Amino acid sequence: EAGVAQSPRYKIIEKRQSVAFWCNPISGHATLYWYQQILGQGPKLLIQFQNNGVVDDSQLPKDRFSAERLKGVDSTLKIQPAKLEDSAVYLCASSLTADTQYFGPGTRLTVL
Amino acid sequence: GDSVTQMEGPVTLSEEAFLTINCTYTATGYPSLFWYVQYPGEGLQLLLKATKADDKGSNKGFEATYRKETTSFHLEKGSVQVSDSAVYFCALSDQTGTYKYIFGTGTRLKVLA
Repeated sequence: EAGVAQSPRYKIIEKRQSVAFWCNPISGHATLYWYQQILGQGPKLLIQFQNNGVVDDSQLPKDRFSAERLKGVDSTLKIQPAKLEDSAVYLCASSLTADTQYFGPGTRLTVL
Repeated sequence: GDSVTQMEGPVTLSEEAFLTINCTYTATGYPSLFWYVQYPGEGLQLLLKATKADDKGSNKGFEATYRKETTSFHLEKGSVQVSDSAVYFCALSDQTGTYKYIFGTGTRLKVLA
């Protein structure tokens, strides 16, 4: 069974530029999550989708971050414009049940 | 709100030493508890989980017991290997509502040959 796929793996941009990350969850997983992991910290949930509806986006900085999950499968997370403090690893996860989440390899973003 | 507290790292051990990484939690309900491991440059991999009090999760020689009375879920392994060097995260999943995860800050383990 294929795992959660993410791309790109690495991205370097200048501040005030925009960037987008892509995630393809495990086939059949209805729930998809985006996390931000700052160096030395645990992952922090940004947004949770159930199929193509948003369940929780309370910690998403909506003035610059946006996410969508069209057709309830793939998802994209966008940052526009990026700030220095957005440098982090962005992790996507998916789950079949309400219990166990499976994580992708992450996208490491560096904002200069 | 819910929270997870892990012991500070890094933890440095010699091969075949005994490992304990402490994890305590605060939750209003009855969460499920997890340990995830992150190897360099990779995402998080589920190591083990427990869904109710007194459950013991185990995998690859690691184990942890869900202790409701002490709100703890300490990770243990009897004999660590160099290949166990990684960052270990304790997490809880709120079982009411969105089931979102709350992670601890992670504990880096380094095992020396």
